[in-house]
Amino acid sequence: DIQMTQSPSTLSASVGDRVTITCRTSQSISEWLAWYQQKPGRAPKVLIYQASILESGVPSRFSGSGSGTEFALTISSLQPDDLATYYCQQYNRYPPTFGGGTKVEIK
Amino acid sequence: EMQVVESGGDLVQPGGSLRLSCVASRFSLSGSIIGWVRRAPGKGLEWVSTISGIDGSTYYADSVEGRFTISKDNSRNTVHLQMNSLRVEDTAVYYCTREGYTSGWCGAFDVWGHGTMVTVSS
Repeated sequence: DIQMTQSPSTLSASVGDRVTITCRTSQSISEWLAWYQQKPGRAPKVLIYQASILESGVPSRFSGSGSGTEFALTISSLQPDDLATYYCQQYNRYPPTFGGGTKVEIK
Repeated sequence: EMQVVESGGDLVQPGGSLRLSCVASRFSLSGSIIGWVRRAPGKGLEWVSTISGIDGSTYYADSVEGRFTISKDNSRNTVHLQMNSLRVEDTAVYYCTREGYTSGWCGAFDVWGHGTMVTVSS
């Protein structure tokens, strides 16, 4: 199975800060990576797919980058509504695997 | 708006069985790939199983292989997850989800239900 290493596990930042979450994979997955946001008590929501393509309706402050084994999700200006846990997921091959999650807190 | 709605979660004893259902609306399961993803308390997301509505292919995580069975009923636009020999570690919120983006081998999920809670405890 492809292992996913996501960091940090917890992140505390102020409104307006630029925030970056990284995801490393144990083998190359080309661009087959998605990012999800899960708010407390809610279902996950896809933000980014194919490493850098923004899902329709997702605010433009979210962006994704990377290829191969190193990926990043950036929030250009953190907003109170961004309080959530973020997950990366590879879909290069079965089984699809998720990162351990990054909990984003607002200072 | 495309939706999926799960049902069937409950409290069950270890070794017991449960069947989860997922009904789709505003899209056809017969042309879709549907998966189940779970989140155990205090843990992250874990893929469980996937079924292709196109050719019926099924896939399972090692942790549930041989105990869980995924199936589809295209006439009712419904996917089921039959869970047997349940263990305490199967306790989780189970989400039904649609594979919306694919690498040609595997997919990412674009439509998610609200989840159904499965608790395995004596």
